[in-house]
Amino acid sequence: EVQLVESGGGLVQPGRSLRLSCAASGFTFDDYAMHWVRQAPGKGLEWVSGISWNSGSIGYADSVKGRFTISRDNAKNSLYLQMNSLRAEDTALYYCAKETTYSYGHGYYFDYWGQGTLVTVSS
Amino acid sequence: DIQMTQSPSSLSASVGDRVTITCRASQSISSYLNWYQQKPGKAPKLLIYAASSLQSGVPSRFSGSGSGTDFTLTISSLQPEDFATYYCQQSYSTGTFGPGTKVDIK
Repeated sequence: EVQLVESGGGLVQPGRSLRLSCAASGFTFDDYAMHWVRQAPGKGLEWVSGISWNSGSIGYADSVKGRFTISRDNAKNSLYLQMNSLRAEDTALYYCAKETTYSYGHGYYFDYWGQGTLVTVSS
Repeated sequence: DIQMTQSPSSLSASVGDRVTITCRASQSISSYLNWYQQKPGKAPKLLIYAASSLQSGVPSRFSGSGSGTDFTLTISSLQPEDFATYYCQQSYSTGTFGPGTKVDIK
């Protein structure tokens, strides 16, 4: 059974840093790209960042570029999101999601999601 | 960047109704379009990928169509468990989501 378990969320002051983790199990982690998606309270889904199986391809939403860093440790079956210079607008539930590719280059979907970890940025 | 829009933003419907939700991309994304369902307090669930392919285990009352810039999600006969928020997502480039369509009980 595929499981994705996020951790590391909490209350943090504006300008500070936080590191999120996602522990994966039930599938061959280093075969798949992974992503972070967030959802502000009462709002919609926002793709945050994605990383290929070998960390060779990484992407970020414009809203977090230069402040957030995605990484993975395939030996530990873990995905990470280092969040620096946090802002109030980064307050959200952060999900990690497993990507399945059906068409090389463009076609993919998120078939498994964790339950999320809540990040609250407030003084 | 590719922007996604959805219409309507919300709708009220009754059990048994046929429901159609529209998603539009700001540029052509071929058929690289996914649909997700999200219920309150839960993670999103994949319904449709590649615009019209039904994810395993998803009831056949859900269907998707479209290509290029215009896409639709149709629920042929709304069931009580279908009241939720629905999101489209393009996978042509970074995985931008639409703003969502909330389906509630009339």
